[in-house]
Amino acid sequence: DAGVTQSPTHLIKTRGQQVTLRCSPKSGHDTVSWYQQALGQGPQFIFQYYEEEERQRGNFPDRFSGHQFPNYSSELNVNALLLGDSALYLCASGVGGLADTQYFGPGTRLTVL
Amino acid sequence: SQKIEQNSEALNIQEGKTATLTCNYTNYSPAYLQWYRQDPGRGPVFLLLIRENEKEKRKERLKVTFDTTLKQSLFHITASQPADSATYLCALSQSWGKLQFGAGTQVVVTP
Repeated sequence: DAGVTQSPTHLIKTRGQQVTLRCSPKSGHDTVSWYQQALGQGPQFIFQYYEEEERQRGNFPDRFSGHQFPNYSSELNVNALLLGDSALYLCASGVGGLADTQYFGPGTRLTVL
Repeated sequence: SQKIEQNSEALNIQEGKTATLTCNYTNYSPAYLQWYRQDPGRGPVFLLLIRENEKEKRKERLKVTFDTTLKQSLFHITASQPADSATYLCALSQSWGKLQFGAGTQVVVTP
């Protein structure tokens, strides 16, 4: 049973560029959440997708956007990259309607130069 | 503003002893609280969840307490082992799926 998978593993971009990160949820899960984790900090909630809609959003600017596909996989897009966007981006999946356990993927390490 | 505080200093403990980690929060009324383990360069791994109406939860060598009056959770690892060395994250939630994390406490278990 595959867990949460994310791609790519690592990514290097320059300021002003755009990036797309991808996530496949754990089998049987229909909800995907995205988190940003800066070095030495805990993960910060970006947004959550369920039934192909953004259901909740954290305190992140509109440069951060996402999408969920009919197969429940998800993308995180970040436009106009800033140096401060350098972080580990984590995807977590769960089952809709349950405020319980989230299963995290290994993350994508984004470096903005 | 809502704050979740965990000990920022690493906890160094000898193998076989009990490690106790603290999670304090302010301006928050969580529906439930979770603890995760995170190894370097990896995603967090779920350990335990405790709800606001529960006082204590156990799983193998792990125990979590939740005091909504003190706004505090304690996380215990009994009979600690070097393999328990990792960063432990406390996470709170008021609503479905939106977790707010503390910065984590690093635990180092030495043989």
